Amino acid sequence: SSELTQDPAVSVALGQTVRITCQGDSLRSYYASWYQQKPGQAPVLVIYVKGNRPSGIPDRFSDSISGTTASLTITGAQAEDEADYYCSSRDSSGDVVFGGGTKLTVL
Amino acid sequence: QVQLVQSGAEVKKPGASVKVSCKASGYAFTSYTMHWVRQAPGQRLEWMGWINAGNGNTKYSQKFQGRVTLTRDTSASTAYMDLSSLRSEDTAVYYCARDVVHYYDSGAFDYWGQGILVTVSS
Repeated sequence: SSELTQDPAVSVALGQTVRITCQGDSLRSYYASWYQQKPGQAPVLVIYVKGNRPSGIPDRFSDSISGTTASLTITGAQAEDEADYYCSSRDSSGDVVFGGGTKLTVL
Repeated sequence: QVQLVQSGAEVKKPGASVKVSCKASGYAFTSYTMHWVRQAPGQRLEWMGWINAGNGNTKYSQKFQGRVTLTRDTSASTAYMDLSSLRSEDTAVYYCARDVVHYYDSGAFDYWGQGILVTVSS
């Protein structure tokens, strides 16, 4: 399947660690990227291609891959991390595809 | 600083076309691929295609092939997305987004336009 599947919602206590997952067959062949999106705003790239972080993204954001599941980990979640998170990769034709998004709540 | 500034909101009737612009500044426009992504209300992001701003080559999502046309004007550092045969399901926020790697389609986008709402309604 070329689809990417994410849990609809995840919560984390302030300062704790949370992992957001993204499952899809294409992740065996292509890297995942991760975006943070707050209400009414454009997405922000937080992780791309082999765990790279754009400038300005805190190092509490990291990623990993195991088989067909990619994970975004936030170590020491902050209130400002509350947002929707989307993974992306490619399908078999090389088109970029996005996951359905995970709403992260910081308690 | 890098900025992508898009044109204003649009309201279109079913069957019409819409052309959205994306003016880039703060970097060498022709050195990066520009992508277009849309997001229907409450839905996931959806990639539409890219244009190599240097040579004009394009690649379109299979879903939009035949309905979307991406162009650019290098003298104005502006990219355009033209979507035809609009239907109500095309109501969405449309974004332009720059590829994070120059001269390449990495599939990751580091700078985004502010997004514009295209509403398709009779």
